[in-house]
Amino acid sequence: SYVLTQPPSVSVAPGETARITCGGNEIGTKAVHWYQQKPGQAPLLVIYYDGERPSGIPERFSGSNSGNTATLAISGVEAGDEADYYCQLWNSGPYHSWVFGGGTKLTVL
Amino acid sequence: QLMESGGGVVQPGRSLTLSCSASGFAFSSYGMHWVRQAPGKGLEWVAVIWFDGTNDYYADSVKGRFTISRDNSKTTLYLQMSSLRGEDTAVYYCARDRDIFGYYGMDVWGRGTTVTVSS
Repeated sequence: SYVLTQPPSVSVAPGETARITCGGNEIGTKAVHWYQQKPGQAPLLVIYYDGERPSGIPERFSGSNSGNTATLAISGVEAGDEADYYCQLWNSGPYHSWVFGGGTKLTVL
Repeated sequence: QLMESGGGVVQPGRSLTLSCSASGFAFSSYGMHWVRQAPGKGLEWVAVIWFDGTNDYYADSVKGRFTISRDNSKTTLYLQMSSLRGEDTAVYYCARDRDIFGYYGMDVWGRGTTVTVSS
């Protein structure tokens, strides 16, 4: 089965840029989506199809995907961005599967 | 716009059916997912069903035990769970996909319903 690998934690100071990676075999050939989840809340889609932002998501959130790594970047990080972030994709093949990464805890210092 | 129900405490080996009531959008035009989250753990995709109910797919961990279905006339999504195990204990979310099949990201989520499998 397809595996997505995320760092358990990322720390960044307010105003800096946070980069959260998601590793997978030839992930650049697949569409990657990113979710933000704050404690006690349902996940929120922040990036879809590698780098597209849903309406209402600030331009500070961006995504890229190439080779074996997809990246979520959050510029001008704010205290309110502290959350868990998950990458996710659909993997085609003999049997379709949908996969989440293990999640990354973003801490704003 | 999505509201789950049906969670509770259930003994191992027993069955439980979750429901997800949708409102405010054209339910029959979207693929729908179930996603779960065990206590203190990450998100785990469970199952997906196409917009018209003609195809569904499952995670290996639930295949053969869980069944996803939908009633577009009632704008409701279901998850029938049988032979429940302790490792099925989780908050279960229903989520709408941006696509009719379920390939392009989950953009609307319910608040979740908690299932606890325990004797």
